[in-house]
Amino acid sequence: DVKVTQSSRYLVKRTGEKVFLECVQDMDHENMFWYRQDPGLGLRLIYFSYDVKMKEKGDIPEGYSVSREKKERFSLILESASTNQTSMYLCASSFGTSGTDTQYFGPGTRLTVL
Amino acid sequence: GEDVEQSLFLSVREGDSSVINCTYTDSSSTYLYWYKQEPGAGLQLLTYIFSNMDMKQDQRLTVLLNKKDKHLSLRIADTQTGDSAIYFCAESINNQGGKLIFGQGTELSVKP
Repeated sequence: DVKVTQSSRYLVKRTGEKVFLECVQDMDHENMFWYRQDPGLGLRLIYFSYDVKMKEKGDIPEGYSVSREKKERFSLILESASTNQTSMYLCASSFGTSGTDTQYFGPGTRLTVL
Repeated sequence: GEDVEQSLFLSVREGDSSVINCTYTDSSSTYLYWYKQEPGAGLQLLTYIFSNMDMKQDQRLTVLLNKKDKHLSLRIADTQTGDSAIYFCAESINNQGGKLIFGQGTELSVKP
């Protein structure tokens, strides 16, 4: 059974803190993605990765960085959290890069930055 | 650039059909998807359609694609309260390997 897990369901941090969001998939997928979801804006791609140690910027990478040291794990890092980064963060993975390669999503982390 | 648009809300009565609409701008879309998000959960793939198809049916779900008008719809027959969720339309773009462009999501509310 396909599984994408995220380290926390809810997280509360203070402005200026460094924040790590972890995502793990157990399907040996090549590709992993980080999105943020905001009401009325849908999902917006922050970063993605096609392979270990490889990363590509998505549509809104500013204020974020990522790390992929192992195939199954993709971390999103907020170097200095700000209140406008309060959002729901969704991780996804997929096997290949064909359009039929379904993206499987984790349950999400709701981050609040005070 | 690529853009996917959906209306934000739809309310129907239990037993009626629901039709959720989506428009997209990129004519090089290869696949179009419908995802469902239940409260507090991640996204779950409902169905997808290849861009050279007009229609796809899967039990209570019917997807219609009008490529000329760049319009995609999802029809849910005999809508149940368990269908209440946010529905996202998404497109994959040719030669952008696996990237999806999502719409804003339509919140479907099913009233008993």
